[in-house]
Amino acid sequence: DAKTTQPPSMDCAEGRAANLPCNHSTISGNEYVYWYRQIHSQGPQYIIHGLKNNETNEMASLIITEDRKSSTLILPHATLRDTAVYYCIVRVGGYSGAGSYQLTFGKGTKLSVIP
Amino acid sequence: GAVVSQHPSRVICKSGTSVKIECRSLDFQATTMFWYRQFPKQSLMLMATSNEGSKATYEQGVEKDKFLINHASLTLSTLTVTSAHPEDSSFYICSVQVNTEAFFGQGTRLTVV
Repeated sequence: DAKTTQPPSMDCAEGRAANLPCNHSTISGNEYVYWYRQIHSQGPQYIIHGLKNNETNEMASLIITEDRKSSTLILPHATLRDTAVYYCIVRVGGYSGAGSYQLTFGKGTKLSVIP
Repeated sequence: GAVVSQHPSRVICKSGTSVKIECRSLDFQATTMFWYRQFPKQSLMLMATSNEGSKATYEQGVEKDKFLINHASLTLSTLTVTSAHPEDSSFYICSVQVNTEAFFGQGTRLTVV
């Protein structure tokens, strides 16, 4: 899987949009961008994923640049419960055999939502 | 999404004893589950891939005789930490893959004293 680069930490005021960047300049054409988050002492939680088009769900929006070398996760109205470590991961999408779904976690971005 | 349940959520054991951690996929039959370990202030590291009905695949540096994995059914994988030592104290997390998404258990905090 391609490597990603994320800032180690970010602050965001409660109620404001949180924009978390991720660089993945070596991403391959068949690799998706996945975002997970981990609230303290819990297992990671899936947020969103995309290939090249922007994606939105009830949790967040994912903006992927046209060259796919970077992306931004947007939490539109951050709350205190969004304080967590956010992981950007790139991996091949779809099923390509047993073990192909393993995820390689980097250090992520620790997002602190401030009242 | 799929529900993954881990048990126990927290365990303290004496050095030299063994501890078993269960990972259950409650609404999905999983032929493959993954076990991760996370030390304080570090990221998750894949330990092994658990395959139903066959031997687990371990990552480099993970001792297969120390971390015994059993995946006897499509809904249950167990990780047994044998002869635990204080350096095995960590947060252990299992994961189930459903289509293109991974779902994680709530984790097990192991403290070896």
